[in-house]
Amino acid sequence: EAQVTQNPRYLITVTGKKLTVTCSQNMNHEYMSWYRQDPGLGLRQIYYSMNVEVTDKGDVPEGYKVSRKEKRNFPLILESPSPNQTSLYFCASSIRHAGELFFGEGSRLTVL
Amino acid sequence: SQKIEQNSEALNIQEGKTATLTCNYTNYSPAYLQWYRQDPGRGPVFLLLIRENEKEKRKERLKVTFDTTLKQSLFHITASQPADSATYLCALDIILTGGGNKLTFGTGTQLKVEL
Repeated sequence: EAQVTQNPRYLITVTGKKLTVTCSQNMNHEYMSWYRQDPGLGLRQIYYSMNVEVTDKGDVPEGYKVSRKEKRNFPLILESPSPNQTSLYFCASSIRHAGELFFGEGSRLTVL
Repeated sequence: SQKIEQNSEALNIQEGKTATLTCNYTNYSPAYLQWYRQDPGRGPVFLLLIRENEKEKRKERLKVTFDTTLKQSLFHITASQPADSATYLCALDIILTGGGNKLTFGTGTQLKVEL
């Protein structure tokens, strides 16, 4: 089954404790992206990757890092989480940049 | 400034009626526009894509129109059912001034179909 898998789905952490949200897709897509979704603000892009070893900033990259060492994986790293990073995070992939996006189920992160 | 506007208020309609959702945009020249469905706590799911040179696209009970003069897309669900209740997002493929393009999302409109 074609899918984008994110882990963890739910996480409560404390300010400053590094965490990684993993994302994996099994569709051999070149393009992958991370979004955060907040009430009233919609989906905002954090980082994206056009292909392996190619990543770029989206609209709200501050406080986040990503890497794309393999085509299927695109982890999101919060080196020192802060409460304003409490949000619902989605990973998405597409066969090409700005094409139809396939989304993961989301990761709800709470930073205390 | 650039804006994508979808009705923030929920749209309530009766089962069997046609639901019409609006996506307006300003200061963009999108090459194409997409519509997604999102259920509570779930990831958005792609529904339809319409290109700038297409006026209308259909898929089963769904119809999308795209008017680049009015800078507006309408999303219709005919013979609506309670299972159609969800939030619907429009997304514009934006051509960037520095080259390349990106997909930018509206905030979505919640649709409630009542029996």
